[in-house]
Amino acid sequence: DQQVKQNSPSLSVQEGRISILNCDYTNSMFDYFLWYKKYPAEGPTFLISISSIKDKNEDGRFTVFLNKSAKHLSLHIVPSQPGDSAVYFCAAGPYSYGKLTFGQGTILTVHP
Amino acid sequence: NAGVTQTPKFHILKIGQSMTLQCTQDMNHNYMYWYRQDPGMGLKLIYYSVGAGITDKGEVPNGYNVSRSTTEDFPLRLELAAPSQTSVYFCASSDRGTNEKLFFGSGTQLSVL
Repeated sequence: DQQVKQNSPSLSVQEGRISILNCDYTNSMFDYFLWYKKYPAEGPTFLISISSIKDKNEDGRFTVFLNKSAKHLSLHIVPSQPGDSAVYFCAAGPYSYGKLTFGQGTILTVHP
Repeated sequence: NAGVTQTPKFHILKIGQSMTLQCTQDMNHNYMYWYRQDPGMGLKLIYYSVGAGITDKGEVPNGYNVSRSTTEDFPLRLELAAPSQTSVYFCASSDRGTNEKLFFGSGTQLSVL
């Protein structure tokens, strides 16, 4: 039972355009959502998060949108840069602590 | 500025052998975690710890053991290694016991042959 799903294994965009990465979840107890970015041979690094009391959170070029009724979140990267090429994982869990559930990841490739 | 350090980076283990993956963090975080990542899959939680002397099972604990004798160290022990344990293992830590900002090590790529 996969509680967090990223249905697109890969995404390819042109430099300067928008990248939209999607994530769906099934567990109603999840109230905290995060995106992590991973380069090859490195561990994931935290990118941006959102709690269930919000529907949008921005940090520079990165914006996360949360649609609680649809149990869907998305990450928008505008404008996309070649250095954004990486694997992006969404993760979700209860706000209390630690037991995050991760999606399978989406490989983003940004072409110059 | 080390953060979370994992050793070794790569290892090949024979079926039935045992080994310990090391993890240490220098951020004084109480919470530490072990995840494994299989190809095309998300990270799955093996074990976690909320402080020295306290550990608990995650989603996929079978075949593994952990201990937490100090705040800094959280080793993962594989007993009687099996091919199904071929994976990339990530150790992580976090502050304040929330889900916010897990800090990950660079991973250990383990092959069991």
